[in-house]
Amino acid sequence: DIQLTQSPSFLSASVGDRVTITCRASQGISSHLAWYQQKPGKAPNLLIYGASALQSGVPSRFSGSGSGTEFTLTISSLQPEDFASYYCQHLNSYPLTFGGGTKVEIK
Amino acid sequence: QVQLVESGGGVVQPGGSLRLSCAASGFSFSSYVMHWVRQAPGQGLKWVAVVWYDGSNNYYAGSVKDRFTISRDNTKNTLSLQMNSLRADDTAVYYCAKGGGRPLGDGFDIWGQGTLVTVSS
Repeated sequence: DIQLTQSPSFLSASVGDRVTITCRASQGISSHLAWYQQKPGKAPNLLIYGASALQSGVPSRFSGSGSGTEFTLTISSLQPEDFASYYCQHLNSYPLTFGGGTKVEIK
Repeated sequence: QVQLVESGGGVVQPGGSLRLSCAASGFSFSSYVMHWVRQAPGQGLKWVAVVWYDGSNNYYAGSVKDRFTISRDNTKNTLSLQMNSLRADDTAVYYCAKGGGRPLGDGFDIWGQGTLVTVSS
């Protein structure tokens, strides 16, 4: 199975900060990676697919990059509504797996 | 309105069974693979299973293989998850999620609200 390692697992930041989250795959997955945002008590919301494609309706301050084994999610200017947990997911082969998550909290 | 609505969660004893359902609306259900994802209390997301557009193929996470069965009824736009031999570590919120038009590569763009399954004596 492909393992995904997210870092950091916890991040404290201020409104307006630039935030970067990293996801590393245990083997190459081309660009078959998605990123999700999840708020407490809610279902996840797709932000990025294909490693860098922005899902319709998602603000442009979110961006994704990478291919192969290393990927990043960047929030260019953190907004109050962005404080949440973020997960990467590979869609390269079955079984699919998610990263362990990154919780972004207010500094 | 594009939506997925899960039902069937509840409390079940260890070793018991439960069947979850997910009603889809607002999109061409038979054109997309469908998934189940779970999240234990305070934990991260875990992919559970996928079923192909016509139900002809499926895959499972190792932890549920041979205990859970995913299926779909395209005439009723319904996804199901039959869960047998339930264990305490199956306790989680279970989400159904819409995959892409391809079996792989596309993210999950629509999710249900989740249904809580608690396995406890």
